[in-house]
Amino acid sequence: QLQLQESGSGLVKPSQTLSLTCAVSGGSISSDGYSWSWIRQPPGKGLEWIGYIYHSGNTYYNPSLTSRVTMSVDRSKNQFSLRLTSVTAADTAVYYCARVNLGCSGGRCYRYFDLWGRGTLVTVSS
Amino acid sequence: SYELTQPPSVSVSPGQTARITCSGDALPRKYAYWYQQKSGQAPVLVIYEDTKRPSGIPERFSGSSSGTMATLTISGAQVEDEADYYCYSTDSSGNLVVFGEGTKLTVL
Repeated sequence: QLQLQESGSGLVKPSQTLSLTCAVSGGSISSDGYSWSWIRQPPGKGLEWIGYIYHSGNTYYNPSLTSRVTMSVDRSKNQFSLRLTSVTAADTAVYYCARVNLGCSGGRCYRYFDLWGRGTLVTVSS
Repeated sequence: SYELTQPPSVSVSPGQTARITCSGDALPRKYAYWYQQKSGQAPVLVIYEDTKRPSGIPERFSGSSSGTMATLTISGAQVEDEADYYCYSTDSSGNLVVFGEGTKLTVL
C-alpha cells in the first residue's frame, strides 16, 4: 500500500522560504502513469492546487503561485519537495502531498489525485 | 482562470437523498471527481471519471454528469456522511487543475 508523508518546518517567518518534503513509501516515485502534487488548505477554507511534478522533473504550477513556487523530485530518496518563497500570512495552511493518476479513458484524458498524505500545518508568523 | 461552482451547503435528514451539484464550462469535455473531507482529515476520493466509485466507497455514493453540471448523489445519507465535499476537474487544456469551493453536507 503506497503511502505519502509530509515533513518540514511548521513555522516560517514572513518573507522567508517554506520548504516541505513528501516521502513516498510502498511504491516507486518513478512509476509510469503518475505524477506528484502539492495542494494546500488555509484554515477554514477550501483546497488550492499548488503544482505537480513528473518523475522526469517536468513541472506545472498554479499560475497564481508560479512566481514563488519550485518543486523538485529526488528519485534516489523516493521523495519530492516544495519550496515557496516570500511567504506571508496568507500562505498559512495545511499542506498536502498527493499522487496524481494520469491516463485516458472513454476518449478523455484525465489527471486526478488518488492518494493523499495526512497533511502538515505550516504557520507563517514572526 | 477556470472555476467550478458548488452550493455552500446542503442539509438532509438521515435516510434522505442528498444531491450536491458542480457546474463548470469544461465539464462536457472533462471528467468530474468528488472528494469527501471530514473534519481534521485529508480528502478522500469518492467518485472518479464522473460516475465511478473507488473500492471501499459505499454504494450509496453515486455520480452523474450532464452538460456543464456534475452531481454527487448520496442515497440514504447517514450521519457519518457529514463532511465537506469538493468537486474537482481541469480546464479544457487539461493542465489547469481546479477545485470547487466545497459544499458542507449536514445530515441531521
